[in-house]
Amino acid sequence: EAGVVQSPRYKIIEKKQPVAFWCNPISGHNTLYWYLQNLGQGPELLIRYENEEAVDDSQLPKDRFSAERLKGVDSTLKIQPAELGDSAVYLCASSALMNTEAFFGQGTRLTVV
Amino acid sequence: KNQVEQSPQSLIILEGKNCTLQCNYTVSPFSNLRWYKQDTGRGPVSLTIMTFSENTKSNGRYTATLDADTKQSSLHITASQLSDSASYICVVLYNFNKFYFGSGTKLNVKP
Repeated sequence: EAGVVQSPRYKIIEKKQPVAFWCNPISGHNTLYWYLQNLGQGPELLIRYENEEAVDDSQLPKDRFSAERLKGVDSTLKIQPAELGDSAVYLCASSALMNTEAFFGQGTRLTVV
Repeated sequence: KNQVEQSPQSLIILEGKNCTLQCNYTVSPFSNLRWYKQDTGRGPVSLTIMTFSENTKSNGRYTATLDADTKQSSLHITASQLSDSASYICVVLYNFNKFYFGSGTKLNVKP
């Protein structure tokens, strides 16, 4: 069974440019999460989806970040425009239900220069 | 305030030795507690999940304990291997609704 797939693995962009990350969760998993992880820190939730509905986006900086999960499967996370402080690893995770095991992708390491 | 605190922040041990990582939390109501292993440059991988009624759970050389009364958990690694070098993250699920992550313990196993 394939795990959570994220792309790209690495991205380097100049500040003020847009960037998008893609996540394909494990088949059948209704819950999808996007996390931001800074070096030496635990992941911080950006947004959680239950199927195609964003049920928790309270920590998503909506002035520059947006996300979508069309048809309740794949998801994209977009930043426009990117700032230097957005440099981090962006992790996607999925689970069958909120209280069951969450499986993480390998993450996308974003560097904004 | 709901928080998850891990200690130590980093740890260096020799291969073959045992070690114990600590997690204290103030999250309430508590739904379950998880330990994840995160290798450098990789996403976290689940080691154990425990509910409040479980005191201990093992996964190979990893044994997690939970004391829901004192809100403490530990992860014990037996006979450490070089491949155990990673960050170990404690995560508490609040009210089946929100995860609280610790900052992790960075373990370095030296030959």
